[in-house]
Amino acid sequence: GDSVTQMEGPVTLSEEAFLTINCTYTATGYPSLFWYVQYPGEGLQLLLKATKADDKGSNKGFEATYRKETTSFHLEKGSVQVSDSAVYFCALEDTGRRALTFGSGTRLQVQP
Amino acid sequence: GAGVSQSPSNKVTEKGKDVELRCDPISGHTALYWYRQSLGQGLEFLIYFQGNSAPDKSGLPSDRFSAERTGGSVSTLTIQRTQQEDSAVYLCASSPGQLSSYEQYFGPGTRLTVT
Repeated sequence: GDSVTQMEGPVTLSEEAFLTINCTYTATGYPSLFWYVQYPGEGLQLLLKATKADDKGSNKGFEATYRKETTSFHLEKGSVQVSDSAVYFCALEDTGRRALTFGSGTRLQVQP
Repeated sequence: GAGVSQSPSNKVTEKGKDVELRCDPISGHTALYWYRQSLGQGLEFLIYFQGNSAPDKSGLPSDRFSAERTGGSVSTLTIQRTQQEDSAVYLCASSPGQLSSYEQYFGPGTRLTVT
């Protein structure tokens, strides 16, 4: 079945540091890939998405590229801020299914 | 406009009691989803509605769990004879349901505690 594997957290960085959160997936079809973010006390929000191989999703300075050859969708940001502190979830939606399969989430803590 | 709303925001119930959780999707969204977020299992899909029908119920963990959707809008998730392992945050999401639109918009969740 489908699965998503994320790096374990927490990830602790200083402000303005470079961020990478690794995500790899297993899927039977040609999935769409997503990053969702959950800020403290808030609900899940879509951060970015990519629907086919080599697509790059980007939003709020975050980027992720859909790599079919490595089945990966790593999240990156060049310079993190304290306000980026949150839990980040990688997810996929496989062909023909509408359900999202989520990774376990990675907590990011950015220190001033 | 208004987002996805869920009620109640918190629910504490005794083991063995039945509970109903409500979801109001974004107006006009034809697709509706229920997920569960728990410490042990992470985020799990439960059920998906397109209109009033549920083409995918594969995530419901047992026959104690059921859901319905009426009028293509509001949905209710019912858990019968609650158990302690049902304690979790239950999330509802909706999407326009168009083939080209994959984004799911999530509600704030209902935190269920079974004592």
